Amino acid sequence: DQQVKQNSPSLSVQEGRISILNCDYTNSMFDYFLWYKKYPAEGPTFLISISSIKDKNEDGRFTVFLNKSAKHLSLHIVPSQPGDSAVYFCAARDNYGGSQGNLIFGKGTKLSVKP
Amino acid sequence: DAMVIQNPRYQVTQFGKPVTLSCSQTLNHNVMYWYQQKSSQAPKLLFHYYDKDFNNEADTPDNFQSRRPNTSFCFLDIRSPGLGDAAMYLCATSPGTGSYEQYFGPGTRLTVT
Repeated sequence: DQQVKQNSPSLSVQEGRISILNCDYTNSMFDYFLWYKKYPAEGPTFLISISSIKDKNEDGRFTVFLNKSAKHLSLHIVPSQPGDSAVYFCAARDNYGGSQGNLIFGKGTKLSVKP
Repeated sequence: DAMVIQNPRYQVTQFGKPVTLSCSQTLNHNVMYWYQQKSSQAPKLLFHYYDKDFNNEADTPDNFQSRRPNTSFCFLDIRSPGLGDAAMYLCATSPGTGSYEQYFGPGTRLTVT
């Protein structure tokens, strides 16, 4: 059973507009959340993260929002650029149950930004 | 630049023929991970090393083994690859204490014929 879910396999956005990528999780013990970006033929690269004690973290064009009560987080990219076209993975850190802080990943959302 | 390197990038092996994938890092990180990722799926953690301590995920098949001879290198051995083992294999590192980010290599695409 998936503990981290990205229900949209793909998203298409016009350049300059906002991209919103969503992620839901089931385990209330997750204490840290990360977003990774992956281009074809490359490994995932870290993009932005948020601690469970916060509800927002911003880094330039990228903002992550966390709604703990809904077990939901989202990544906002404003404005979107063609170079943002990639697969975005949501990941959660499981710091309990002997997992030693391993990350659990969602399946990813493929973002396409059209010029 | 400090990085995580995986060799080879593409590996073809025959059904049942042992294969070894390698990972090296110049980040001097304590933790090294191996993930398996199949098409349109989430990366799935196989095992990780915290220094020399090996940690196997409960559902990782016995067919998969790992070695970490030193801080810089980690190997993934697949003893008898099956067609279902064809996937992208990702190596990642993490400093360990106090940092939750993982740094990934480019991956090795394994094909089993």
